Amino acid sequence: DQQVKQNSPSLSVQEGRISILNCDYTNSMFDYFLWYKKYPAEGPTFLISISSIKDKNEDGRFTVFLNKSAKHLSLHIVPSQPGDSAVYFCAASARDFGNEKLTFGTGTRLTIIP
Amino acid sequence: EPEVTQTPSHQVTQMGQEVILRCVPISNHLYFYWYRQILGQKVEFLVSFYNNEISEKSEIFDDQFSVERPDGSNFTLKIRSTKLEDSAMYFCASRRGGPEDEQYFGPGTRLTVT
Repeated sequence: DQQVKQNSPSLSVQEGRISILNCDYTNSMFDYFLWYKKYPAEGPTFLISISSIKDKNEDGRFTVFLNKSAKHLSLHIVPSQPGDSAVYFCAASARDFGNEKLTFGTGTRLTIIP
Repeated sequence: EPEVTQTPSHQVTQMGQEVILRCVPISNHLYFYWYRQILGQKVEFLVSFYNNEISEKSEIFDDQFSVERPDGSNFTLKIRSTKLEDSAMYFCASRRGGPEDEQYFGPGTRLTVT
């Protein structure tokens, strides 16, 4: 069941540059998308979300872009900092359909090189 | 800042034994969830709980699993007769319930079935 896909298992970015993490989904019922960050031995930490009625949401250094026609979203982190090194999960839900459960991607390990 | 807590952090049990994983959600949250992550795999939804009843469960959540909110603060996941394949990280999450509210995750319990 690959309803949410993160095709890049890992990504390395120089400190200060932009990190772009990508996510694709297949389920047209998904209307709410989230990014979580996870450190080893910790639970996922919520970063930023976007509803399907928007195409962009920004929070500080983090911006999420949604392209509904392509069923694609991306997370931009700028500038990247060493503390951003973690695994990033894309998740989706179908809130308007009363479905609260989150469907996660497989994650992308981001490494920020000082 | 309020956070979801989980105990124990690591549980080792023998196959066939019952285990109870405990969670204390954030105090003003109304929706509760369990997820699990088998090593090397994605985070998977198990069950959601609202108003003292299960609102949704996945195929993984079979008759061996049960959830309970025994008092006003705890939320538990019971596995009646553990199997080797139940070995995973189990994450509890809670959500306040507003349309823009997110699920906040606990640090997880690592369950090892031998």
